[in-house]
Amino acid sequence: DGGITQSPKYLFRKEGQNVTLSCEQNLNHDAMYWYRQDPGQGLRLIYYSQIVNDFQKGDIAEGYSVSREKKESFPLTVTSAQKNPTAFYLCASSMVGAGVLNQPQHFGDGTRLSIL
Amino acid sequence: GESVGLHLPTLSVQEGDNSIINCAYSNSASDYFIWYKQESGKGPQFIIDIRSNMDKRQGQRVTVLLNKTVKHLSLQIAATQPGDSAVYFCAASPNSGYALNFGKGTSLLVTP
Repeated sequence: DGGITQSPKYLFRKEGQNVTLSCEQNLNHDAMYWYRQDPGQGLRLIYYSQIVNDFQKGDIAEGYSVSREKKESFPLTVTSAQKNPTAFYLCASSMVGAGVLNQPQHFGDGTRLSIL
Repeated sequence: GESVGLHLPTLSVQEGDNSIINCAYSNSASDYFIWYKQESGKGPQFIIDIRSNMDKRQGQRVTVLLNKTVKHLSLQIAATQPGDSAVYFCAASPNSGYALNFGKGTSLLVTP
C-alpha cells in the first residue's frame, strides 16, 4: 500500500545529543514537509521541500536541519540547539508541479520525541 | 502572514445529530482550504478540501462551506457517529505557495 512511514514511533534524546527522525514515502510525491505539534496545539511548519536537493525553512526551523537526497526520503535532525524538542513530529507529502493546483498533504503517524 | 483559528476548542454532540465545526482565516489571498481529522497518537487524516472558486463541496457525510466575504469556513458532519470522535483541524494555503497554515483544532466528542 502507498503511504508515508515515520520511524521510530517513540524517541528519547539526551541533553546535547542530535537525533534524526526518518520519513519515507512511496506515493511518488515531489513535496515533503515536517511539522511539529505540541499538546492541544495545531501543526507548525519546520521545513519543507518541493524537489530533491532543495528545501526551505518554515516558521520554526531554528534548531532543526533536513536533507533531501532522494525523492522518497526527507529525514529531520533535531539538534542540540533545539532547547525544547519534546513534541510530536509529523511528516507529510503532496503532489506539486507547474500547473498543478494545491493538493492535499498526506501525513505519516508521527514520531513522539521526549527528553531523558 | 496567515492566521487560522477555530471558534471552539471542544464540541460535544449526540450520536445521530449533525455536527458543525467552524474555522476563520485572516489572509484574504488564501485560495485553498482543507479539513483534517486526527485521532489520538496518529497523524492527521485528510477529510475534504475546497478551493476559493467554490463556496460548497460535499463528500461522504461531510460538507465544507466557504464564505470568502467573512473569511470563514465550516465542516458539517451528517449523522455523527462515535467513530467521528477526534480532533478536527482546518488549514489554509496562501496563493504564494504550497505550505499550509493550521488552526489549533476542535475536539469533537460524540456521546451515545
